[in-house]
Amino acid sequence: SAVISQKPSRDICQRGTSLTIQCQVDSQVTMMFWYRQQPGQSLTLIATANQGSEATYESGFVIDKFPISRPNLTFSTLTVSNMSPEDSSIYLCSVWVIQETQYFGPGTRLLVL
Amino acid sequence: AQSVTQPDIHITVSEGASLELRCNYSYGATPYLFWYVQSPGQGLQLLLKYFSGDTLVQGIKGFEAEFKRSQSSFNLRKPSVHWSDAAEYFCAVVYGGATNKLIFGTGTLLAVQP
Repeated sequence: SAVISQKPSRDICQRGTSLTIQCQVDSQVTMMFWYRQQPGQSLTLIATANQGSEATYESGFVIDKFPISRPNLTFSTLTVSNMSPEDSSIYLCSVWVIQETQYFGPGTRLLVL
Repeated sequence: AQSVTQPDIHITVSEGASLELRCNYSYGATPYLFWYVQSPGQGLQLLLKYFSGDTLVQGIKGFEAEFKRSQSSFNLRKPSVHWSDAAEYFCAVVYGGATNKLIFGTGTLLAVQP
């Protein structure tokens, strides 16, 4: 299994600003994922963060808006840039533990005013 | 494109009644199948998973799910629902390959009547 923590747990931000969300895992993992859950919606994969290479973004998500860092095998950050109210969501990181399952962090609840 | 369908957006059942939540995935090689639950204000919790073998899978909290290849389905069941089961339930799949991307269904919101 894996224990995942995220910081901050929640934040209220002004439009036009940026927020960096941190994800820490208690073990080394190859692949980390970032998801967005808009209010009342399901989870949508933003990107896959691989250590030592650029993140792989899903359709509809771009690096300029959601830059991701993955400096080592236990840590990743997601930045939500130039925020607008439409970015108000829960952002979750997750890790895939081979032969087991994906574990999710508690999420970061973001409200953009 | 690979997809997951949960036909029921919202279901209401009486406490003590049985429950079945439906999940269908798009045709292709057998994926890894999961059910997650998200209680209000809480994170995602894994209920159960299917990789291979016995098609009837037991999970936590008294839930079970059955994989039916012929129907491309992985329905979640519980024989007797408790009020604490009120939550949103997500079916998810991972298709084979190096990406291991988890694709979620749209979710089913379960309400439990006393």
